[in-house]
Amino acid sequence: EVQLVESGGGVVQPGGSLRLSCAASGFTFDDYAMHWVRQAPGKGLEWVSLISGDGGSTYYADSVKGRFTISRDNSKNSLYLQMNSLRTEDTALYYCAKVVEMATIWVALDPWGQGTLVTVSS
Amino acid sequence: EIVMTQSPATLSVSPGERATLSCRASQSVSSNLAWYQQKPGQAPRLLIYGASTRATGIPARFSGSGSGTEFTLTISSLQSEDFAVYYCQQYNNWPQTFGQGTKLEIK
Repeated sequence: EVQLVESGGGVVQPGGSLRLSCAASGFTFDDYAMHWVRQAPGKGLEWVSLISGDGGSTYYADSVKGRFTISRDNSKNSLYLQMNSLRTEDTALYYCAKVVEMATIWVALDPWGQGTLVTVSS
Repeated sequence: EIVMTQSPATLSVSPGERATLSCRASQSVSSNLAWYQQKPGQAPRLLIYGASTRATGIPARFSGSGSGTEFTLTISSLQSEDFAVYYCQQYNNWPQTFGQGTKLEIK
């Protein structure tokens, strides 16, 4: 069974940093691209970032470009999101998600983890 | 950026009836369109990808159609567990974008 478990969320002041992790199991991790998607409280879904299976290609939403960095350690079956210069508008539940097909990024997301909550507040 | 617009924002339907949800893209996304279901306190779950292909384990009462800019998710006979929020997502262009969601509620 595929499992994705996020961790690392918490409360941080504006301008601060946080590193999220996503532990993956149940599939060959380096065969699949991975996403981060966030959801502000009571709001819809916002795509944040994507990394290819080998880690060689990364993509970011304009809202986080230059502040967030996605990475992965395939030896540890883990995905990361380094978040710097955090703003109040970054407050959200952050989900990691696997793509449905291997060796491509132009596909849907499935499954999703349960999310980790990031609160940016003074 | 491609804008995905879902309608209606809220849909009230009785159990056993059919529900039809719409999603419109601001430009063509071919068939690179997915539908997700999200229940309160849960992560989104993939229902449909490629505009019309049901994901593994999704009941046959869920069906998707459309291509280009107009898409539809149909639930043929609503069960109690189907009342949730539904999102469409395009993965044809960067950035990948989601619709704002349709809340399907019990009438």
